[in-house]
Amino acid sequence: KAGVTQTPRYLIKTRGQQVTLSCSPISGHRSVSWYQQTPGQGLQFLFEYFSETQRNKGNFPGRFSGRQFSNSRSEMNVSTLELGDSALYLCASSLATGQQETQYFGPGTRLLVL
Amino acid sequence: KNEVEQSPQNLTAQEGEFITINCSYSVGISALHWLQQHPGGGIVSLFMLSSGKKKHGRLIATINIQEKHSSLHITASHPRDSAVYICAAREGGSNYKLTFGKGTLLTVNP
Repeated sequence: KAGVTQTPRYLIKTRGQQVTLSCSPISGHRSVSWYQQTPGQGLQFLFEYFSETQRNKGNFPGRFSGRQFSNSRSEMNVSTLELGDSALYLCASSLATGQQETQYFGPGTRLLVL
Repeated sequence: KNEVEQSPQNLTAQEGEFITINCSYSVGISALHWLQQHPGGGIVSLFMLSSGKKKHGRLIATINIQEKHSSLHITASHPRDSAVYICAAREGGSNYKLTFGKGTLLTVNP
């Protein structure tokens, strides 16, 4: 079974631009969560989608948004990029949003904002 | 807001040593995750536990719900165990949000 895939793996953008990152979960997994990892803040939860609905959201500004499609693939979008948005963006999938579900992480997309 | 603290931040050990990494959290949770991150970024979920103890090979994770504390132990450490270990607390109820510790950088020397 293929793992979680993320595209692109690396991305360079300039301030003010917008970016869209993609995540394909493990086949059969319906929940996709997104995380941001920076050297200063560590890992932080962005949002979680289940069956095309955003179920939970972290403390990030409205410039960060996402969506999930009927095949469970998910995208996250960051508009009006700032230098501080440079980070590793990770997605993770699981079967459902049950309390005991293991999450499987993708390799991440490394975003550099210049 | 849940605060998750890990200690130590950095840990250097000799091959074969017994390793302990600690994690404490401030509010009640439904589950505690231990993750491993190797250089390059890939994250692997090691354990998810809500009570007691779990063991997988040389790795053991324990949790004390009353004390809001969890430990990750590595027996007979090996250089390939060198990685960042991160604990993450999942809030209760229907909230799937994970709050992460800052991570512990483990280096095991041969």
